[in-house]
Amino acid sequence: DIQMTQSPSSLSASVGDRVTITCRASQSISSYLNWYQQKPGKAPKLLIYAASTLQSGVPSRFSGSGSGTDFTLTISSLQPEDLATYYCQQSYSTPPVTFGGGTKVEIK
Amino acid sequence: QVQLVQSGAEVKKPGSSVKVSCKASGGTFSSYAINWVRQAPGQGLEWMGGIIPMFGTAKYAQRFQGRVTIIADESTSTAYMELSSLISEDTAVYYCARAFSTYSGSCFDYWGQGTLVTVSS
Repeated sequence: DIQMTQSPSSLSASVGDRVTITCRASQSISSYLNWYQQKPGKAPKLLIYAASTLQSGVPSRFSGSGSGTDFTLTISSLQPEDLATYYCQQSYSTPPVTFGGGTKVEIK
Repeated sequence: QVQLVQSGAEVKKPGSSVKVSCKASGGTFSSYAINWVRQAPGQGLEWMGGIIPMFGTAKYAQRFQGRVTIIADESTSTAYMELSSLISEDTAVYYCARAFSTYSGSCFDYWGQGTLVTVSS
């Protein structure tokens, strides 16, 4: 199984800050990497698929990059509504689909 | 607009089984995979398995093999996930999610609202 490792596990940033979350795969997954946002008490929501394609309706302050084993989710200017946990997920080698452990983003 | 609506919360005894439903509307049910993902309290997301209704064959995560059954009823656009031999560690929110194929794999573009399953004696 492909293991997905996210860092950091949590972070605290101020409104307007640039936030970067990383995700590393245990082997190359090309661009088969998706990002989700999960707000407290809610179902996850797709933000970015295929490493860098923004899902329809997602604000442009979110962006994704990377290929192979290393990937990044960037929030260019953190907003209060971005309080959430973010997960990466690989679909290169399935089953199983595997997720990263999550990064909890808090607002200072 | 695609919607996935799940059945309500359940409380189960250890050793029993639970069956959660996921009814789809607003899209083509048969050709998209429906997957099940669970989340234990305070924990991350864990994929359990999935099924493409038009093919009818499910795939499961190794750790749930033999304990989980996923089926789909095309006539009602409803998928089901049954988990047996429940233990306390199965207490979690269970989500269904539709898989959308992209040029680089697939992603889960629509999710159900989640079903809390509590296993307690």
